Amino acid sequence: GQQLNQSPQSMFIQEGEDVSMNCTSSSIFNTWLWYKQDPGEGPVLLIALYKAGELTSNGRLTAQFGITRKDSFLNISASIPSDVGIYFCAGQDAPGGGADGLTFGKGTHLIIQP
Amino acid sequence: EAQVTQNPRYLITVTGKKLTVTCSQNMNHEYMSWYRQDPGLGLRQIYYSMNVEVTDKGDVPEGYKVSRKEKRNFPLILESPSPNQTSLYFCASSFGSNQPQHFGDGTRLSIL
Repeated sequence: GQQLNQSPQSMFIQEGEDVSMNCTSSSIFNTWLWYKQDPGEGPVLLIALYKAGELTSNGRLTAQFGITRKDSFLNISASIPSDVGIYFCAGQDAPGGGADGLTFGKGTHLIIQP
Repeated sequence: EAQVTQNPRYLITVTGKKLTVTCSQNMNHEYMSWYRQDPGLGLRQIYYSMNVEVTDKGDVPEGYKVSRKEKRNFPLILESPSPNQTSLYFCASSFGSNQPQHFGDGTRLSIL
């Protein structure tokens, strides 16, 4: 399978700060997805991006599909305690899915200090 | 409520004792998939199914089997579990393989 480099691996921030994380790949993806996983639960979709250059917001979250189609970032503004969790990027590399389905990054663990 | 349901949520068992983890979705999704999640390795796909009676290997299929006899169900079978299959397993489904997937809450397996 393909590899996604997600960074940072973990973040320790103060409540109210903005957060930024990103994923890069050596190959092109047709779709970028961002998921959040809370302890004891499965990943939940936050934002889906389908076009290069696309910038999409979901409340305090904003994500962009890089123009080269090899990267994506997720920003969280004015963090709150419930933002704590693990954030995963995922890339879809083939029209119609094909054999590989989704390739996931290894996750960014967000910890918020009160 | 639209959901993906996995059972059991937790299981401790011994090497070699066959086990099945069930997955059921109520969204009429065609695509279903199994992942395992391990520290430092993220989520890795085990098997996927594009539709009924259509299954294929993901990135880490060794030691696992699946079946898709009905659209809503996609069980994961470990015929002879080994300790290296101790992991957190997730089932996911979507309308198509290029559509965002909905995940179950996970099954934590411990193979002693």
